[in-house]
Amino acid sequence: AQSVTQPDARVTVSEGASLQLRCKYSSSGTPYLFWYVQYPRQGLQLLLKYYSGDPVVQGVNGFEAEFSKSNSSFHLRKASVHWSDSAVYFCVLSGLSGSFNKLTFGAGTRLAVCP
Amino acid sequence: EAAVTQSPRNKVAVTGGKVTLSCNQTNNHNNMYWYRQDTGHGLRLIHYSYGAGSTEKGDIPDGYKASRPSQENFSLILELATPSQTSVYFCASGEKISNERLFFGHGTKLSVL
Repeated sequence: AQSVTQPDARVTVSEGASLQLRCKYSSSGTPYLFWYVQYPRQGLQLLLKYYSGDPVVQGVNGFEAEFSKSNSSFHLRKASVHWSDSAVYFCVLSGLSGSFNKLTFGAGTRLAVCP
Repeated sequence: EAAVTQSPRNKVAVTGGKVTLSCNQTNNHNNMYWYRQDTGHGLRLIHYSYGAGSTEKGDIPDGYKASRPSQENFSLILELATPSQTSVYFCASGEKISNERLFFGHGTKLSVL
């Protein structure tokens, strides 16, 4: 069975500071990983995705994530956060379950950016 | 950008009542999904569909039915709503079977009293 763990339910950072949101996954097959963001009163939007190749993937709005097979991790980073980055961030693992592409969501990390 | 529209945005229902949540997508995606979001659980899959006429059970289907009458529309039905079904429900659509990106609606906040 596949699983995703986001160990931090809530993270608070100051505007302009750097950010890392942690994600650990467990998968028996090749992991396909995503980070989605949910702004207040909105649906989830894709930030970035990793399928293969360069372990550091770039996303929208200056976000990037680094895949580590040895650590089973896919941490999200940003060099300098803005107040508008306040949102809930979900790490998502994709894997085949029979013929169906099963997505497993982490519980989410709520990011609060303080002025 | 793919468009997924859910209705209603908010719903208050009584215990034992019937609730229908509707979802419409305009990008001709084959796959559609219903999730619920609860604090501490992320999103959990209720039902999904590969195309018109098909519905499949997800991870937590008990108490829910689904209907996919057309490529564009996918409904979630609570025949006998219970307070434990109070949650935020998201519909999503996607293009491919494997490793797909999903496009989400804005969500429906359901309260069952």
